[in-house]
Order: sequence, then structure tokens, then C-alpha cells
Amino acid sequence: GAGVSQSPSNKVTEKGKDVELRCDPISGHTALYWYRQSLGQGLEFLIYFQGNSAPDKSGLPSDRFSAERTGGSVSTLTIQRTQQEDSAVYLCASSRSSSSNQPQHFGDGTRLSIL
Amino acid sequence: AQSVSQHNHHVILSEAASLELGCNYSYGGTVNLFWYVQYPGQHLQLLLKYFSGDPLVKGIKGFEAEFIKSKFSFNLRKPSVQWSDTAEYFCAARPTGTASKLTFGTGTRLQVTL
Repeated sequence: GAGVSQSPSNKVTEKGKDVELRCDPISGHTALYWYRQSLGQGLEFLIYFQGNSAPDKSGLPSDRFSAERTGGSVSTLTIQRTQQEDSAVYLCASSRSSSSNQPQHFGDGTRLSIL
Repeated sequence: AQSVSQHNHHVILSEAASLELGCNYSYGGTVNLFWYVQYPGQHLQLLLKYFSGDPLVKGIKGFEAEFIKSKFSFNLRKPSVQWSDTAEYFCAARPTGTASKLTFGTGTRLQVTL
């Protein structure tokens, strides 16, 4: 596709449920990033993939959060036993490579609301 | 730890006014710097970037930013704003030469009135 695609665009779920968020990066982009944007906050880094490997997971807030990437393409961010503080917009970005001078291209995000 | 600060949280300007949004970063080494814009209901878009060379960089839609190394700043400017510039603006930085995440500021909401 032309841009980074994320699904679903909105997700409302009950506290305690598991959720999966999907990201389809731009074709050919080897680096993929997950960020979280909470109300009144900037973008908070979660995890970064180069190919299928995750060299930096330092931003994952707890062991309830995990992510994987398969085929060097699609990535899934999973949140288990969701809590209300997990409510946020989850953004995915991809770049041609992980080189620092490559800009990241963002998707529209998934707005997650935990009731 | 690396950090990015945007001190203007909400800016209201009339059309044709000049704009300057502040961005300061905290990092000991060399950095790549970015400004992203998020228009209402849209995804983040790259406005401009600085890697090296001329410290004055020009981006899309008439925006420019100046990298001042001695001040650790990368302020965004536009001589004359338009109503369509109403958006949220994010400054971001990452260390040069590393495969690392972007560190973002908390954003500045710009509201341009007619």
C-alpha cells in the first residue's frame, strides 16, 4: 500500500480482556516502530523491529505488552489483561531502514479505549 | 537520557501572523532532528528534518527550522501562517548513526484564527 496501515482504527474493550493491534508497514520498509500517544502526552516509544528481530524493547511498559513481526512485514502488538491506563492511541511507523537519517512514516493509529 | 522539550503547549495566532515554535533537546552527542505535523483527523506527517550541513532547513508548506547547536535548539518557523496550518506540531530527535527510536516532545497545538 501507499502508506502504513493499522487496524482496527478504533477498539473498545473491557478491562481484563486481551487485544491485538495490527500494523502493515510500507512495502520494502525494513524497520518498524510502535509508539503510544496518551492524552496530553507526547509519543512514547514502545518497541522497534529490524526485520523480524526486536533490538529495542525498552519502551514496553510491562510484561502484559508483547509484539511480534513476521515475514519482515506485518507486526502485531498484543496487550494482555488490559487495564484502564492502557487507553491511548497506538501508532505504528516504518522506515526504509533503521539508519538514523531515515524518516519514519506513521499510520493513522489505533485508538484503544478500556472500559 | 535523551529528552525533547517543547515549551509552547498551545499557541493561538491570527492568519498572516508569524510563527515560531520552540524545541530544545538534551543529548550529549550529535542528533538528527525532525518536525512532524498532525492535522486534525490525520496521521503524523514529516514536515522537515535536519541531518547535517546547512543549519537552516526548509520543509513543506513554507515551514523552516534552524538548528542552533550551542543552544540545543531546533525551532520551527513560518513567516505567515494560514488557517490550514491549524494542527499539532511535534519535535523529535534521535542520535546520529544509531538504529534507535525517535524521542518526541509533548507537542504544540497551533490554532490559527481567521
